[in-house]
Amino acid sequence: GESVGLHLPTLSVQEGDNSIINCAYSNSASDYFIWYKQESGKGPQFIIDIRSNMDKRQGQRVTVLLNKTVKHLSLQIAATQPGDSAVYFCAENMAGGNKLVFGAGTILRVKS
Amino acid sequence: DAGVIQSPRHEVTEMGQEVTLRCKPISGHNSLFWYRQTMMRGLELLIYFNNNVPIDDSGMPEDRFSAKMPNASFSTLKIQPSEPRDSAVYFCASSPTGGHYGYTFGSGTRLTVV
Repeated sequence: GESVGLHLPTLSVQEGDNSIINCAYSNSASDYFIWYKQESGKGPQFIIDIRSNMDKRQGQRVTVLLNKTVKHLSLQIAATQPGDSAVYFCAENMAGGNKLVFGAGTILRVKS
Repeated sequence: DAGVIQSPRHEVTEMGQEVTLRCKPISGHNSLFWYRQTMMRGLELLIYFNNNVPIDDSGMPEDRFSAKMPNASFSTLKIQPSEPRDSAVYFCASSPTGGHYGYTFGSGTRLTVV
């Protein structure tokens, strides 16, 4: 029979193009956000984080944007490479709390 | 730094058997987290510890699941008795302090209960 599971959105981009992965978070009280990358057979790997008192943070080839008004987080990857192919998760931490809640994830496929 | 170390990497067991998953956090990290990942439910937090003390176990699905952290360098997640629906990848993660730091995840234990 057909298996039922999470239907992860998939973003397919051409190598060298920029990628934008979006995430809607759930709790307006969350004050810290992280993007993780998970490759097949591996655990999630930290990419970049941002606190709620900021709206933008840049790393190497990656930028995270935070819009608290609409509870939206995005991850921009510049000059996407085949090695960027993975599942990307956003995670939020509620103020005063000590645990990360993860989103469902987005599959990024990079075409050469 | 060896990172977060989990063992075993793969475990296949028969329904009804006891399963013990192990985790060694990064030295100096005082928060430890157990997550379960499935296609159906994604990444779910099962339990977390601060300074070896369980803080929130609201994600533990049933009494069949238990976790311990006898010291700062070791934690176990036990399932007794195991059931096929427990099949998943179980991740352990640690962080330096409570909140506002990214976790470092281990490579996970893929559990298959037949």
